[in-house]
Amino acid sequence: GEDVEQSLFLSVREGDSSVINCTYTDSSSTYLYWYKQEPGAGLQLLTYIFSNMDMKQDQRLTVLLNKKDKHLSLRIADTQTGDSAIYFCAERVTGGGNKLTFGTGTQLKVEL
Amino acid sequence: GAVVSQHPSWVICKSGTSVKIECRSLDFQATTMFWYRQFPKQSLMLMATSNEGSKATYEQGVEKDKFLINHASLTLSTLTVTSAHPEDSSFYICSANSSPDEQFFGPGTRLTVL
Repeated sequence: GEDVEQSLFLSVREGDSSVINCTYTDSSSTYLYWYKQEPGAGLQLLTYIFSNMDMKQDQRLTVLLNKKDKHLSLRIADTQTGDSAIYFCAERVTGGGNKLTFGTGTQLKVEL
Repeated sequence: GAVVSQHPSWVICKSGTSVKIECRSLDFQATTMFWYRQFPKQSLMLMATSNEGSKATYEQGVEKDKFLINHASLTLSTLTVTSAHPEDSSFYICSANSSPDEQFFGPGTRLTVL
């Protein structure tokens, strides 16, 4: 079965790096995603990584994937107050069509 | 970039009435759209997969007769909450794939049933 877990809350200072972690159980994941949700809004796709990759970098965002440990992380460099939001990881598994299973969400709070 | 819209963004209705929510892909065609439900401070739960020209595929525990889904065209899917009750109050979000890799989400519809 699919089970995706995240820590609930992370607080960082502006300018520091944030690292949001995600663990999943289904080893047949094909793609893993990171989405950002601001209050009262829908989800914004930040980045995604194919399961045969270890790392993907996109400007301030770095995604690391440890497939052996089924661990995914999102690092945000130089975190800004505008980065405060809830971050969801999601996985798409083989044979699941394009259906996504979402993690529990991590609320990131950026303090001055 | 790929844009998905939802209408309305917020609806308040009386218990027992039906509410229709629209999901549109604005600049791409989507043979498949997805409907999610999100309770406050919780994650998204997939309700159903909406397939253009055919019946929707519902997740376990989701009442088909309660949540009617129609995907009449490649750019429009609708979710109708029939005979809504206060426990149906939630944030409903749709999504669509613009490519096999990327799934884009609408801004969500907040439903409040009095």
